[in-house]
Amino acid sequence: QSVLTQPPSVSGAPGQRVTISCTGTSINIGAGFDVNWYQQLPGTAPKLLISGNNNRPSGVPDRFSGSRSGTSASLVITGLQADDEADYFCQSYDRGLTGSVFGGGTKLTVL
Amino acid sequence: QLQLQESRPGLVKPSETLSLTCSVSGGSISSGTYYWGWIRQPPGKGLEWIGLIYSTGSSFYNPFLKSRLNISVDTSKDQFSLKLTSVTASDTAIYYCARLSMDCGDTSCSFSAYDLWGQGTMVTVSS
Repeated sequence: QSVLTQPPSVSGAPGQRVTISCTGTSINIGAGFDVNWYQQLPGTAPKLLISGNNNRPSGVPDRFSGSRSGTSASLVITGLQADDEADYFCQSYDRGLTGSVFGGGTKLTVL
Repeated sequence: QLQLQESRPGLVKPSETLSLTCSVSGGSISSGTYYWGWIRQPPGKGLEWIGLIYSTGSSFYNPFLKSRLNISVDTSKDQFSLKLTSVTASDTAIYYCARLSMDCGDTSCSFSAYDLWGQGTMVTVSS
């Protein structure tokens, strides 16, 4: 069981908007630690998508955005495209673990 | 540009020691403000943090693995390594090495994001 909770799956049609949630507790996200998001295409390593809650690394389209509030964070993808189909993971820091924690991952299906 | 590449141990027998090395190419493991980490992913499951090490040898371990884990760094070879003892089938996973960037202010630094990943190596624990 992962420390951060994500929905197992979300789906949307091309062009639509989807939101993926990531829920933590008072010793990780709720303690003010930043949330990062990773995209894992099938058969590949995870790739950094959003850092520091809402910062996009160079090359990541502005269709991807993130936010954090309280003990939760969200990843929003607008203008869904077929090649957005992937697993998405959130990650933060946890005081109890004294290290990184990940969400269980959310599989995005583009209908 | 900087790249990470894990070694490929393949099959490990139960109760034996899993050894992995991550080679950093295109740059030095000692340059910049980065920690170097190991993360694993059991087949069909999510990501699990294993541990981190800095070029000075300062390290952080997942407390659930700490009793079986050792992470070391060899700056002369630009490599860092993982040893996990007494493995069982539950240690079967894809093992990734990754670079953890740091956000540094005037007086302190904090962990940022895993901004660079190796391609991963599948390790199967089976007799």
